[in-house]
This record gives sequence, structure tokens and C-alpha cells, in this order.
Amino acid sequence: EAGVTQSPTHLIKTRGQQATLRCSPISGHTSVYWYQQALGLGLQFLLWYDEGEERNRGNFPPRFSGRQFPNYSSELNVNALELEDSALYLCASSPRLIGTGGTDTQDFGAGTRLSVL
Amino acid sequence: DAKTTQPTSMDCAEGRAANLPCNHSTISGNEYVYWYRQIHSQGPQYIIHGLKNNETNEMASLIITEDRKSSTLILPHATLRDTAVYYCIAIGSSNTGKLIFGQGTTLQVKP
Repeated sequence: EAGVTQSPTHLIKTRGQQATLRCSPISGHTSVYWYQQALGLGLQFLLWYDEGEERNRGNFPPRFSGRQFPNYSSELNVNALELEDSALYLCASSPRLIGTGGTDTQDFGAGTRLSVL
Repeated sequence: DAKTTQPTSMDCAEGRAANLPCNHSTISGNEYVYWYRQIHSQGPQYIIHGLKNNETNEMASLIITEDRKSSTLILPHATLRDTAVYYCIAIGSSNTGKLIFGQGTTLQVKP
């Protein structure tokens, strides 16, 4: 069974540009989560999509946005890039909502490393 | 979801058991304790979870105290590949979708 796949592996942009990161969840998973991990910092929750809808978002500005497609894959868009957006962006998926029974886990991809110059 | 507290770092000799503690004194009755680990610059990996009873799988054992205020993750025979940051997370039924990763414990397995 293929795991969560993210593309690209690395992305280099300049300040002010837009970045698009992609994520394909594990087959059968309907929920997709995005996290940011800046250098030396912990993982920060960004967004959660389930069945095509945004269910929750973390404390990030509106220039961080995304969507989930009918096949449950997802895209994270970061507009007007700033230097501090440089980070590892991780996508995770789960078969259903975390917390509805305490038995589902989020499976993570390897991440996209975004560098803003 | 309850806050968890872990030591910042720990060392363990290769081949010995690694015991990683986690304090979750405010955990509520419906919150599970989950453990993930993150090997350098990779995505976090699920290890194990439990509610009340001790749990064991092919990777580790989880010991939860009777009052559920703390737990210990045990890697029975640590290898160099177990060097990673280990996160203890309490997950309830709040349905926020987010995992709250604290600072975790950096485990260094030494030869």
C-alpha cells in the first residue's frame, strides 16, 4: 500500500512569489492535514480537509490556503511568500476524523522543503 | 486535548531499553495517549497508542499509570536507527483534526 506522497520534495522560491505544494493521501483516506515545521521549531497545525471541505485551520494568515479535490488529494498554496515561510511542510492523512474513537492515526508523508530566498 | 510534558533529551546505549516518560496530569477520561517519532527531517511516524491498559506492538510498549496521569514508552532494544524526536500526544474527541506536537524528547542512541 502506497503511503502519503508529497511533491515536490524541494521547492525554492523568492520572496513575494506563490508556492503550490501537493499531497496524495493513502488510498481510502478522506481526511488530509497540513503542518508546518520551521527550522528548530515544532510542528504547527495548518489546515484540515475532509470530504472536500476545510474543517479547521491553525493560527496562520489567510495567504496560507488550500483545497481538497474529489479524489481526496490536496493542494497547499502559500501566497506572497515571506522569508519566514521557509520550512518543511508535512501532509498527513487519516481514514476519518481523529478523535471519533481514538483509534485512527494520522499517517505522514516525507514533506516538501520550501526555501524562500 | 490535555497538555503533555516530556524531558527535552535522553541518551540510551545501543541494545538497552529506552524508557521515555510523559506527564499528562490533566488528561480526561476519553483522551488517548499517542506516541509518534520523527527521525531527522522526515515525517512523523506513528508508534503506539493506548487509553488505560498497557499496550505492546512490534515497535514498542506503552505503560500507562493507573491514574493515567503519566505514561512511559519503552523501546526494548534500542538501535542507532531509533535516534529521533519522540512526541507524546493526548487526543480526545474534540474533533479539531490537529495533533498538538510539543517539543518532544530527543532520544540519542549511542553505540
